[in-house]
Parts: sequence; structure tokens; C-alpha cells
Amino acid sequence: DAEITQSPRHKITETGRQVTLACHQTWNHNNMFWYRQDLGHGLRLIHYSYGVQDTNKGEVSDGYSVSRSNTEDLPLTLESAASSQTSVYFCASSGLASYNEQFFGPGTRLTVL
Amino acid sequence: EDKVVQSPLSLVVHEGDTVTLNCSYEVTNFRSLLWYKQEKKAPTFLFMLTSSGIEKKSGRLSSILDKKELFSILNITATQTGDSAVYLCATPVGNNNDMRFGAGTRLTVKP
Repeated sequence: DAEITQSPRHKITETGRQVTLACHQTWNHNNMFWYRQDLGHGLRLIHYSYGVQDTNKGEVSDGYSVSRSNTEDLPLTLESAASSQTSVYFCASSGLASYNEQFFGPGTRLTVL
Repeated sequence: EDKVVQSPLSLVVHEGDTVTLNCSYEVTNFRSLLWYKQEKKAPTFLFMLTSSGIEKKSGRLSSILDKKELFSILNITATQTGDSAVYLCATPVGNNNDMRFGAGTRLTVKP
């Protein structure tokens, strides 16, 4: 069965370190997204990609970067982790024909100390 | 500025009650509105609405969209403890798949 996975599921790191969160989908979807979820803010879009070599900034992109070298993966990198980036991160994907229905990964809980 | 506002932010009911969750939106070039249920992990898709006045129904859950007044409601009848979750609504903004989510409504159903 097709799925979308994230790793690690939990991560604790220190301020200033570089962190990369992985997202892998086997739906063969063109569109992939990264969100963060914090209390009181719901889901906020960080970056998204409409296909290989395409990346776009979302609502809260400062301090984050992504790259899309193949269809299946969209890793999210925190260049220099800050305590304000402590959050739960969700990856999602959608296909061109699914008319905006997004399928979500299980999430990564990141704590920056 | 595109925005999605949900109300109430939290709600506590007893089993068997009926609840109505609200989602209002202001977006340019509206295309669709989606509802998700989020328990302890990732959101799961419930409904997608594109046309006014057409009710989508799945078991005890139903939803309807009003494109004139710019809102949607999600109804849950005969609530059960398993309905306890955060309910999110979202709508695409800007390019086709750039999704804006509301803050969610946390529903707690007590036995």
C-alpha cells in the first residue's frame, strides 16, 4: 500500500545545530508539503514543492530549507535550530488529480533545547 | 489577507449530543474547503466541499458549504467518545495546493 513516512519520529537537539527531517512518500505524488503545528496556530505551511527541482516558501519559511531531487522525498532542514522551532512537523503529499486532498505523514516531534 | 477562522476553539459535550463546528474563510479565488479530523497523530481527511448547499455525509458526520456567506459547518450527531479529536478546516490559497488551515476545534466527548 502507498504511504507517506517521516523520520525520525522524535528528535531532541540543541540550539544552533543543523537538523534534517525526512519525508518519503510512495504515492508517486507530485506535490509535497511541510507544516508545523503549534498550540493555538493549527497547521502552518513551511515549504512546498510541485515537483522535482521545484521548491516554494510557505507562510513560515524563515530558518528552514527544502530540496527536491526526486519525486519520493522532500527533506526539511533547519540550518541553525532555535528554541522557537520546537514543534510537531507534518509532511503531506497530494497528486495533481486529487484536487487538493492531502495525505499526511505521522509527524515528527522536534525539541530544541 | 487570506484567513481561515474556526469556532469554537474547544467544545465539551456528552455522548449522544449533536455538535456543530464552524469554519469561516476569506480567500481570493476560492476553490474548495476541506475538513480533517486529527486525533493523536496525523490529520485524516473527512470531506471536501466545492459547491454551496450540497451536503456531504459520512455516517454521523455531515458538512455543508455556504459560498455566499463564506463559511462551512461540520455536524456530528449522536456523538461518541471516539469522536473526541481536533477538527481542522482548510482551503487552498494562492497556487493550487498551497493550503491554509484554521486553528482547529478541539472536541471532547464525555461518556
